[in-house]
Amino acid sequence: EPEVTQTPSHQVTQMGQEVILRCVPISNHLYFYWYRQILGQKVEFLVSFYNNEISEKSEIFDDQFSVERPDGSNFTLKIRSTKLEDSAMYFCASSARQFNQPQHFGDGTRLSIL
Amino acid sequence: GQQVMQIPQYQHVQEGEDFTTYCNSSTTLSNIQWYKQRPGGHPVFLIQLVKSGEVKKQKRLTFQFGEAKKNSSLHITATQTTDVGTYFCAGRNRGSTLGRLYFGRGTQLTVWP
Repeated sequence: EPEVTQTPSHQVTQMGQEVILRCVPISNHLYFYWYRQILGQKVEFLVSFYNNEISEKSEIFDDQFSVERPDGSNFTLKIRSTKLEDSAMYFCASSARQFNQPQHFGDGTRLSIL
Repeated sequence: GQQVMQIPQYQHVQEGEDFTTYCNSSTTLSNIQWYKQRPGGHPVFLIQLVKSGEVKKQKRLTFQFGEAKKNSSLHITATQTTDVGTYFCAGRNRGSTLGRLYFGRGTQLTVWP
């Protein structure tokens, strides 16, 4: 069964540095999402992306964050000037259509900011 | 703003006992999805409910969507140790044309053998 793949599985970065989290969504999917989950807390929506542009973003997704689909397969989340509170598990998800379709999640990237 | 509340936060049961988690939205939903996350894993889609009053079953799991489309529940009959994990509900707002899901906090289920 096709799956969403994320790299790296764990990223350790010094505070203030920039990180890029990478995702390869399922190949025939058109909608892409980033979520984050702080340890022990709920999954929080960051951003959705369709047709090479952001569809919706949450209040968490401020100027520190950006997303890009640099080629036909990758979907990246960039976090600039990382802060301690950015430490979390970041999940990428994709779906074939927005409605009545499940979102398939990757295994996540655990981001640790030191 | 939109909130999805889920209770209980934790549930510990003996194997064979039943388990229920409840989800309540502050606004009317167009649909609700349920996910299971095993310890250290990622959310895995279980089911989606769309219609008012809808009930769906997957083996020992029964999912309900309220008449007002603001609440939902997941009931597991005769739990097994393989049911261990955190169960999340995730709702999509009525009228939304975008894919954003609002997740509940999840119910962490522990099953003792």
